[in-house]
Amino acid sequence: AQKITQTQPGMFVQEKEAVTLDCTYDTSDQSYGLFWYKQPSSGEMIFLIYQGSYDEQNATEGRYSLNFQKARKSANLVISASQLGDSAMYFCAMREANTGNQFYFGTGTSLTVIP
Amino acid sequence: DTGVSQNPRHKITKRGQNVTFRCDPISEHNRLYWYRQTLGQGPEFLTYFQNEAQLEKSRLLSDRFSAERPKGSFSTLEIQRTEQGDSAMYLCASSRQLMNTEAFFGQGTRLTVV
Repeated sequence: AQKITQTQPGMFVQEKEAVTLDCTYDTSDQSYGLFWYKQPSSGEMIFLIYQGSYDEQNATEGRYSLNFQKARKSANLVISASQLGDSAMYFCAMREANTGNQFYFGTGTSLTVIP
Repeated sequence: DTGVSQNPRHKITKRGQNVTFRCDPISEHNRLYWYRQTLGQGPEFLTYFQNEAQLEKSRLLSDRFSAERPKGSFSTLEIQRTEQGDSAMYLCASSRQLMNTEAFFGQGTRLTVV
């Protein structure tokens, strides 16, 4: 079974609007971490935000926030006030304690910001 | 520290040749990961090290692939008898062992097998 599922292959958003990128995960571990990365067309993977399984509050980093719903096993990324430079691939990833803390990645969502 | 460094950035090779890639992680990171990424897909796990110990290899990794991390510093990924299906971006990442720490990625090595 897939550890990370991203069901939106492509998304469009108007500049200055907010957008939500979906991510669901599968784990039986109680201790895990969820990460979001951005990959622009240049190819580098840029870390955006982290949420721990025991964190009670949703993580925020500037314009990025993570909508963490533990019971639903979802960790959606919210980008507020979208900018043209946000156009990129976005990957959700998980790290879980019982598999040695390696990183599992989803298939990604391609976000295009429209001027 | 300048981050994770990978060499070469690009490699074109003929089918059947062997290739070797190098990754220099962030110095204080004891975890090092290799991933393969094809166009439009997410990074696919290949293998990872904790210090010099190779802890896991993906079942998808054929015996033509081997990785080493001597002395727990830099790592090499070798592909023997390359096939056209090996054409991909090979990404290296490093991290601390703690679960709440992110992985830092290199810029990757793009392999083209002709």
